[in-house]
Amino acid sequence: AQKVTQAQTEISVVEKEDVTLDCVYETRDTTYYLFWYKQPPSGELVFLIRRNSFDEQNEISGRYSWNFQKSTSSFNFTITASQVVDSAVYFCALFSSNTGKLIFGQGTTLQVKP
Amino acid sequence: DAGVTQSPTHLIKTRGQQVTLRCSPKSGHDTVSWYQQALGQGPQFIFQYYEEEERQRGNFPDRFSGHQFPNYSSELNVNALLLGDSALYLCASSLGTLDSYNEQFFGPGTRLTVL
Repeated sequence: AQKVTQAQTEISVVEKEDVTLDCVYETRDTTYYLFWYKQPPSGELVFLIRRNSFDEQNEISGRYSWNFQKSTSSFNFTITASQVVDSAVYFCALFSSNTGKLIFGQGTTLQVKP
Repeated sequence: DAGVTQSPTHLIKTRGQQVTLRCSPKSGHDTVSWYQQALGQGPQFIFQYYEEEERQRGNFPDRFSGHQFPNYSSELNVNALLLGDSALYLCASSLGTLDSYNEQFFGPGTRLTVL
């Protein structure tokens, strides 16, 4: 079975704090892809990153960084020096080449206060 | 270059009615996927259309059906609406078939309210 778990329902931080959003996934496939999406109040899902199962290198993009660890089936997302504009719902998702389906977690609502 | 567009933006229906939602994919994309996102939940995969055929389906009843046109645009139809069908319906387009992943671009969604 494919499953994505985002245990943190809501997180509230003060601007400039660092924050990490957790994502744990389950799959028996050897080839799969992991994603993070941002959903602002407007509703449109904004693609942030994709990682395939063979690439465990961590990635940094500006204030965003991602830590992929196959040993713990985790793909965590860290925002450094958070800003009010980072406030949104963030989704972690898993795509399996076997099923051809994109499975989303429940989402984490991040509120960054000024 | 227009991205994924969906219509209408909002829709209010009553129980038992039928609804049709529309999606135009990003230019050059040939695959359309539909998702249902209930309030406070992550999007749930409904089905995917490629070459005018439903190629993959999630755990949704037959009341949910779709269609893809030769220009790759797509419709999602829901019959006999239930209160629980109230949700944001997202359309995503991509290029390629099911056995490979190509980035899905999401539209802004249609907010359906069933009274």
